[in-house]
Amino acid sequence: DVKVTQSSRYLVKRTGEKVFLECVQDMDHENMFWYRQDPGLGLRLIYFSYDVKMKEKGDIPEGYSVSREKKERFSLILESASTNQTSMYLCASSLRGGRNEQFFGPGTRLTVL
Amino acid sequence: DQQVKQNSPSLSVQEGRISILNCDYTNSMFDYFLWYKKYPAEGPTFLISISSIKDKNEDGRFTVFLNKSAKHLSLHIVPSQPGDSAVYFCAASDGVRGGNTGKLIFGQGTTLQVKP
Repeated sequence: DVKVTQSSRYLVKRTGEKVFLECVQDMDHENMFWYRQDPGLGLRLIYFSYDVKMKEKGDIPEGYSVSREKKERFSLILESASTNQTSMYLCASSLRGGRNEQFFGPGTRLTVL
Repeated sequence: DQQVKQNSPSLSVQEGRISILNCDYTNSMFDYFLWYKKYPAEGPTFLISISSIKDKNEDGRFTVFLNKSAKHLSLHIVPSQPGDSAVYFCAASDGVRGGNTGKLIFGQGTTLQVKP
């Protein structure tokens, strides 16, 4: 059974804190993605990675960075959390190529106070 | 600039009837389209997809229709069941022409409520 796991389901952080969100997939997928979901805005791509140590900016990368040191793990980093980063964060993975479905993790609900 | 749009934020239908969810796109480079379903507090799960060389794809109660000239796709659920109540996202990919990155562009989502 394919699986994408995220380190936390719920997180509460304070403004200015450094926040790490971890994602692990067990499907040997080349591609990994980080999205945020906000009401009325759908899923917006923050960053993605198509290989180890490779990363590409998505549509809303400002305020975020990523790390992919191993194929199965993709980390999203909020260098200095702000209240407008309160959101649902979703990680996904897929095989290399343009016509492959993405498999999603359960999401992390992050609240920044 | 929203390249994939779901203009109806919500839809309510009676159990047993047809649910039709709509999606419009602007980028003619998109050549692969997907529908995802999302329950609260869970990640989206893949439902059905269609390639731009087809105009219809069917999987059980779910059928996706693609009208390329109108840049429009729709998801039909027949018959609708209460367990179908969820948020539905359409997504598009520009595949090979987009560099085969695997990126998907998602719509805003439509919340479907199926009443018993």
